[in-house]
Amino acid sequence: QSVLTQPPSASGTPGQRVTISCSGSGSNIGSNAVNWYQQLPGTAPKLLIYSYNQRPSGVPDRFSGSNSGTSASLAISGLQSEDEADYYCAAWDDSLDGWVFGGGTKLTVL
Amino acid sequence: EVQVVESGGGLVQPGGSLRLSCAASGFTFSSYWMSWVRQAPGKGLEWVANINQDGSEKYYVDSVKGRFTISRDNAKNSLFLQMNSLRAEDTAVYYCARIGYYSDSTGYYSYYFDYWGQGTPVTVSS
Repeated sequence: QSVLTQPPSASGTPGQRVTISCSGSGSNIGSNAVNWYQQLPGTAPKLLIYSYNQRPSGVPDRFSGSNSGTSASLAISGLQSEDEADYYCAAWDDSLDGWVFGGGTKLTVL
Repeated sequence: EVQVVESGGGLVQPGGSLRLSCAASGFTFSSYWMSWVRQAPGKGLEWVANINQDGSEKYYVDSVKGRFTISRDNAKNSLFLQMNSLRAEDTAVYYCARIGYYSDSTGYYSYYFDYWGQGTPVTVSS
């Protein structure tokens, strides 16, 4: 059971906009920045969004992050087939004194 | 180019030990926190341990406390994870990750895993 809660799956058709939610508590998302990671099949995770809504260089602006209280969301607009991957949210937890991840959301592009 | 490359994984019997290494290049290693993150087969990501720039601060997930030790050698740009008393549930791919940081206009600092290695697999089985 992960400390951060994500839906196990999401899907959309090419060109659509999809969102992935991440729910936590006051000791993690409510207090610290949320980051999002993309893991393509068979590869290492890659930083996608940091500090709620910042994109590393090279990440398309189709990807965006937002947060409200103890929840955060990742939005992907103009969905493409290469976006098919697992997506994880993460934040530092002040009570656990450690990083916590969501269980991951498998995104399928139909 | 920033790179982190793990090594040292393999097959070990329950109760055994293994030492993972991570070679860093392309950045000033001694200026960054570093971390180990693992992923069990078919499962999600799990943070394992963090170490600060000079090795004086270390944090561990509860399930490995007392069994795993994170350390670093800044002179050799290397990060290590000594794993003792290994259990079947420690079976996973272990990733080395750099902890980057960002400061916004208010001076608030946030942290994240900005560079990851390709991972080294650890299998605990008899």
